[in-house]
Amino acid sequence: DAGVIQSPRHEVTEMGQEVTLRCKPISGHNSLFWYRQTMMRGLELLIYFNNNVPIDDSGMPEDRFSAKMPNASFSTLKIQPSEPRDSAVYFCASTGGETQYFGPGTRLLVL
Amino acid sequence: SQQGEEDPQALSIQEGENATMNCSYKTSINNLQWYRQNSGRGLVHLILIRSNEREKHSGRLRVTLDTSKKSSSLLITASRAADTASYFCATARVIYNQGGKLIFGQGTELSVKP
Repeated sequence: DAGVIQSPRHEVTEMGQEVTLRCKPISGHNSLFWYRQTMMRGLELLIYFNNNVPIDDSGMPEDRFSAKMPNASFSTLKIQPSEPRDSAVYFCASTGGETQYFGPGTRLLVL
Repeated sequence: SQQGEEDPQALSIQEGENATMNCSYKTSINNLQWYRQNSGRGLVHLILIRSNEREKHSGRLRVTLDTSKKSSSLLITASRAADTASYFCATARVIYNQGGKLIFGQGTELSVKP
């Protein structure tokens, strides 16, 4: 199994631009999670889906952030417009049970 | 807000010594998990202990859970330089038919010197 796949691995963009992060969960897993990690705030859960349905989006910082899961094998996290304070590592994780499997992360830098 | 708080924030030891990290949490849980993160990588699951368990072992790892004190500890015995990483505890609350989520602590940064 290839594990959780995230793309891109690195993204550098300018303030105001739209950023789209992508995630392919492990096949057969029914829950998918988006996290953000920064030195200041640690690892924060942004949103999670169960069977492609958003269950808890209370961690999404503001309306500039949106996430979708159109099918069981793909999810996106979009930031529009991006701001420098959005710079962080964004992780996607999936699970079919109790333990979560993390992707390698997308390192986002907004200038 | 973060559910778990970890202590210490950073720990530096010599190879061969034992490393102990502690985690406290605030609300009831279904299970508590420990994860490891090497620099620049995603988190990797190490061990899970359920709320009705008190102690669990996996190789050089020993985890304890005290639900009355809402705390857990992770012990790594006979540490190696390759154990250098950040270690996170995560508490789980399962919601019937909706999966569940993990709330992570701030982590302990472990440095094992050869």
